[in-house]
Amino acid sequence: DTAVSQTPKYLVTQMGNDKSIKCEQNLGHDTMYWYKQDSKKFLKIMFSYNNKELIINETVPNRFSPKSPDKAHLNLHINSLELGDSAVYFCASSRGVGSYEQYFGPGTRLTVT
Amino acid sequence: AQTVTQSQPEMSVQEAETVTLSCTYDTSESDYYLFWYKQPPSRQMILVIRQEAYKQQNATENRFSVNFQKAAKSFSLKISDSQLGDAAMYFCAYRSAAGGTSYGKLTFGQGTILTVHP
Repeated sequence: DTAVSQTPKYLVTQMGNDKSIKCEQNLGHDTMYWYKQDSKKFLKIMFSYNNKELIINETVPNRFSPKSPDKAHLNLHINSLELGDSAVYFCASSRGVGSYEQYFGPGTRLTVT
Repeated sequence: AQTVTQSQPEMSVQEAETVTLSCTYDTSESDYYLFWYKQPPSRQMILVIRQEAYKQQNATENRFSVNFQKAAKSFSLKISDSQLGDAAMYFCAYRSAAGGTSYGKLTFGQGTILTVHP
């Protein structure tokens, strides 16, 4: 059983399009995260939700909007995609905000052409 | 804001030998957690080892151990008896133990690519 899953694993799209990446965890965790890994492999947090409430919102363009319909899901919607959005996006979860172990999904490689 | 620096973009080691990956961090906090994550070519992020700042004893997990120097803000990873499967990118990461708007956030270093030669 996959603990943290993401769909799709690969996404190729054109500039200006709107796309979503879905994340689901079956660990019963309360906290979920989105990280972005750029072309130089640098990883940076984007958002964090705890019990469906936004708790971390780093400096991310407002074209990116996370949505958490329930504790097990945290989706990432991106409007008006730009070339610079090309990256690998990782979803992660942890038991709680204070829990130090985060479990990562397999990542979604987004390519904007 | 906290920063994490990995000064070795690439390292290599012979199979069965020992290698040490370096990490330094900058923080004004006294309570925090440090981690090493492994990212193999599959790109899955795998937690290798963690260290609580309040613990003086260095963490160990089988062939992996850390040298945590709190005063020097240094957190190196030692891999003993290196195996081909250890080849990956390794990331050092910091997490605050304090509350606030960044609670739970992992701050990563730039990564070190480890090559293991047979």
